[in-house]
Amino acid sequence: AQTVTQSQPEMSVQEAETVTLSCTYDTSESDYYLFWYKQPPSRQMILVIRQEAYKQQNATENRFSVNFQKAAKSFSLKISDSQLGDAAMYFCASDNNAGNMLTFGGGTRLMVKP
Amino acid sequence: DSGVTQTPKHLITATGQRVTLRCSPRSGDLSVYWYQQSLDQGLQFLIQYYNGEERAKGNILERFSAQQFPDLHSELNLSSLELGDSALYFCASSATTGVNSPLHFGNGTRLTVT
Repeated sequence: AQTVTQSQPEMSVQEAETVTLSCTYDTSESDYYLFWYKQPPSRQMILVIRQEAYKQQNATENRFSVNFQKAAKSFSLKISDSQLGDAAMYFCASDNNAGNMLTFGGGTRLMVKP
Repeated sequence: DSGVTQTPKHLITATGQRVTLRCSPRSGDLSVYWYQQSLDQGLQFLIQYYNGEERAKGNILERFSAQQFPDLHSELNLSSLELGDSALYFCASSATTGVNSPLHFGNGTRLTVT
C-alpha cells in the first residue's frame, strides 16, 4: 500500500516570493508516478505537475518545479514568483503505475499575501 | 473547464436515503474514476470503469455502487446513507487506463447527509 504525507497543513507566502511545499511518500513499487494537484475555492482538482520516478531530472512547469529525492522518498513543490491566484489547497499524490488510482496526501493550504 | 460534467452540484438528503450522482466524461475519454473527499478520510479513490466495465476498486463501501453506461456516462449510487457519507464526490476521466493518460476532474458533487 502507498501512503502520502504532507506535514504542513498551512503555509503562507508573500506575493512574488518563493514557497516550498513538502511531501513524503512510501511505496514498495519500483515504478511509480508522483503528482501535485491544486484545488482552488472553485474546488476543481487541477494538475500542477507530475514526475515519473524513473526520471532523475526534476519536472518543471513554468513557475512550478519539484525537488524529487527518490532515496529519501521526498517530493516537494516549489512555487516561484507567487501570485494571488496560487492561493489554494495543494495535494501531493502518488500512483503505482496501476493507472490513475491516486493516493493523496492530506493537503496543504497555501495563502498568498499581497 | 475540464470537460467533465457532474450533476447535481449540491445534494442534501437524510440518513437512510439513497442518491445517485451522475458524471459525463470528457469527450473521447473511455475511463471514469470516482473519488471521495471528506474531512475524515481526505481524498480517496473509490472505483474505476473503462468502456463500461469495472476495472479497479478502492475504498468503496458495500452500500455504494457504480456503473458506466454505453454512452460512457457514469453513475455513483449511494444507499442507506449515513452522516459520515457527507463529502465531496469527484468524477474524473481519462482517455485510457494508463497513468500516462492524464486525469481530468469534474467540479464535484457536494453531498450533505442530515
